[in-house]
Amino acid sequence: DIQMTQSPSSLSASVGDRVTITCRASQGIRNDLGWYQQKPGKAPKRLIYAASSLQSGVPSRFSGSGSETEFTLTISSLQPEDFATYYCLQHNSYPSFGGGTKVEIK
Amino acid sequence: QVQVVESGGGVVQPGRSLRLSCAASGFTFSSYGMHWVRQAPGKGLEWVAVISYDGSNKYYTDSVKGRFTISRDNSKNTLYLQMNSLRAEDTAVYYCAKDSDLDTWGQGTLVTVSS
Repeated sequence: DIQMTQSPSSLSASVGDRVTITCRASQGIRNDLGWYQQKPGKAPKRLIYAASSLQSGVPSRFSGSGSETEFTLTISSLQPEDFATYYCLQHNSYPSFGGGTKVEIK
Repeated sequence: QVQVVESGGGVVQPGRSLRLSCAASGFTFSSYGMHWVRQAPGKGLEWVAVISYDGSNKYYTDSVKGRFTISRDNSKNTLYLQMNSLRAEDTAVYYCAKDSDLDTWGQGTLVTVSS
């Protein structure tokens, strides 16, 4: 099974800050990775697919990069509606998720 | 638009059974593999099971093997999860998701296993 290690598990940031979240895969997964945003009581919403492609309708302040074992989600300028929990998901093998990153207001 | 809607959750006693459904619309259901994912209260996301587009292949996470069965009825555009021998640790919101990259999710249905 492929393990996804996501960091940090939480962070505090201010509106306008640049935020970076990382996921590391236990083995190479090519670019078979997505990033999801989840707000309390809601279903996860995909932001990025194929490691770096922006989902339609998602603001361009979100971007993804990486391949094989190292992946990054970047929010270039944090907005009030971005405070949420973020997950990475690999689907190269049976799907597995990172542990999540809770982005809180500083 | 592409949509999946889960139903069938509720409160059930340990050891009992429950069947979840996921109704699909807006896409050719019979062309896509489908997944079940769950999220225990206050916890992260956990993949549960996947079924191929034609139902011929099914895979499960270890903790549900032998207890849960994923199935589909392509004539009804519906995905199912039969959950038997339920345990307290199966308490979660259960989501269905479309395709190998889980591009579309439903709103989830809550299953509570409690005496």
